[in-house]
Amino acid sequence: EAQVTQNPRYLITVTGKKLTVTCSQNMNHEYMSWYRQDPGLGLRQIYYSMNVEVTDKGDVPEGYKVSRKEKRNFPLILESPSPNQTSLYFCASSPRSLGNEQFFGPGTRLTVL
Amino acid sequence: QQQVKQSPQSLIVQKGGISIINCAYENTAFDYFPWYQQFPGKGPALLIAIRPDVSEKKEGRFTISFNKSAKQFSLHIMDSQPGDSATYFCAASSSLYGGSQGNLIFGKGTKLSVKP
Repeated sequence: EAQVTQNPRYLITVTGKKLTVTCSQNMNHEYMSWYRQDPGLGLRQIYYSMNVEVTDKGDVPEGYKVSRKEKRNFPLILESPSPNQTSLYFCASSPRSLGNEQFFGPGTRLTVL
Repeated sequence: QQQVKQSPQSLIVQKGGISIINCAYENTAFDYFPWYQQFPGKGPALLIAIRPDVSEKKEGRFTISFNKSAKQFSLHIMDSQPGDSATYFCAASSSLYGGSQGNLIFGKGTKLSVKP
């Protein structure tokens, strides 16, 4: 089944404890992206990747890192999480970024205490 | 200029009624306008999309109306059903540019509730 998977789905952590949210897609898509969803703010892009080893900042990159060593994986790293990073995170992939459907993962709900 | 403004923020419609959600944009380079549907606990999923060479696109009960001169587009849900209750996001992107300008820009979402 073609899909985007994220792990973990739920995470409660404490301020400053490094964490990684994994994202994997099995559709051989070139483009991958991370979004955060907050009430009243919609979906805001954190980072995106046009292909392997090519990443760039989105609208809200502060406090996040990403890497794209393999085409299928695009992990999101929070090296020192803070409470303002409490949010619902979505990974998405697309054959290309331009004018193509983006396929979203099921989301990761992160709480930083 | 990269913003997509979506209204209303929430919408309550009776079963069988018409739901209408509106979006407006400023960037005339946008040439792809999708709508995403998100159910609670799920990721957004593409519902329907339009390009500016047509003024309307219909798929079942869902229709996008596009007004290029006004830089507005809207989603119409005919014969709304309780199963349509979800959050809807409009979005826009441009194929003229690479990099960040080719990314999808999302509206802030509309929470639709269809009452039985």
